[in-house]
Amino acid sequence: AQTVTQSQPEMSVQEAETVTLSCTYDTSESDYYLFWYKQPPSRQMILVIRQEAYKQQNATENRFSVNFQKAAKSFSLKISDSQLGDAAMYFCAYRSRGGSNYKLTFGKGTLLTVNP
Amino acid sequence: DSGVTQTPKHLITATGQRVTLRCSPRSGDLSVYWYQQSLDQGLQFLIQYYNGEERAKGNILERFSAQQFPDLHSELNLSSLELGDSALYFCASSVGVTTNTGELFFGEGSRLTVL
Repeated sequence: AQTVTQSQPEMSVQEAETVTLSCTYDTSESDYYLFWYKQPPSRQMILVIRQEAYKQQNATENRFSVNFQKAAKSFSLKISDSQLGDAAMYFCAYRSRGGSNYKLTFGKGTLLTVNP
Repeated sequence: DSGVTQTPKHLITATGQRVTLRCSPRSGDLSVYWYQQSLDQGLQFLIQYYNGEERAKGNILERFSAQQFPDLHSELNLSSLELGDSALYFCASSVGVTTNTGELFFGEGSRLTVL
């Protein structure tokens, strides 16, 4: 079974600075998706960024980028120019692309605080 | 707005009772997933339906059951409720069992409090 580990329960960053959230995963599969979801106080689960395992290029979405290291099974999220609205719980998630197991498996989350 | 609708948003009930949570997926989505989010367990996968059929089962208790109807909405039934069932229950949907983009679209959740 796939597992996702987020080793940082809490992180903090100063507004306008950069922060990196860590995620590692365990799988025997070669084709899969990785995601970062954001959960602000409103509780809504919002997709931040997506990475397909077959793509070597790291995904970017505006101020958000990932460092995907497939061999190391590592998938970190970098937030540049942090804003107060970035404060939230961030979840790393894994999803198989083949077979019959299509659920998202989540890490336990990292609570990000942004200090003004 | 993800397009996934969950009702009710909040529910308070007593131990031993039964509740039903409802989910309407995004228009065109055939697959529905239910997740439970509690403080100490994170986001736990409960069950998945695809076009009316159960496709995968996770850590769902025997006291819980779900179904997906012909109009593709889904209901999660929780019975003989215990204090530990208090949690946020999310529904998510996707186009098919697999999708081109892979992500699931989440509703706003139903907050269940068992007293």
